[in-house]
Amino acid sequence: DVKVTQSSRYLVKRTGEKVFLECVQDMDHENMFWYRQDPGLGLRLIYFSYDVKMKEKGDIPEGYSVSREKKERFSLILESASTNQTSMYLCASRVGQQETQYFGPGTRLLVL
Amino acid sequence: QKEVEQDPGPLSVPEGAIVSLNCTYSNSAFQYFMWYRQYSRKGPELLMYTYSSGNKEDGRFTAQVDKSSKYISLFIRDSQPSDSATYLCAMSSPNQGAQKLVFGQGTRLTINP
Repeated sequence: DVKVTQSSRYLVKRTGEKVFLECVQDMDHENMFWYRQDPGLGLRLIYFSYDVKMKEKGDIPEGYSVSREKKERFSLILESASTNQTSMYLCASRVGQQETQYFGPGTRLLVL
Repeated sequence: QKEVEQDPGPLSVPEGAIVSLNCTYSNSAFQYFMWYRQYSRKGPELLMYTYSSGNKEDGRFTAQVDKSSKYISLFIRDSQPSDSATYLCAMSSPNQGAQKLVFGQGTRLTINP
């Protein structure tokens, strides 16, 4: 079974803090994705990576950056957290050019 | 107009009922169609995957794609309380960079015992 894990289930941070969200997959997948999920807006793609050290902006990259130093690990960084970044963050991975993505359990982030 | 439209519900039905969940889309290039199930406070899990038009059945679940109408459906037969979740449709086209998925908003479903 594909396993995608995320470093925290719940996180509370203060405005202006730097926040790191980590995602690890154990299936040697090339592609990894970061989404945020908000009521009424569904899942929106923040960034994705199709290989180590490669990244591309998704639909809402502003205020975020990413890092992929190893194939199994994809980090999402909030440089200076703001209250409008309070959300559920979901990581996903996918092998090669297959369409289906496998999701982690999510991190609920609250920025005060 | 959103690329993928999905009624957010909520939808509440009695146990044993047949449930029909639907999405419409505007991009005729979409060829890959998925349904994900998401339990409360969990990540989405893949339920069904269909390529192009037609039906696919897996146990109590049937996915249908009608590309001429740009309409996809998920049917759940003999619904159970454990089917209570949010159901997300997702789709992509070969032309989208890295085959990004476009998601519907999700329909929240409750099956009442």
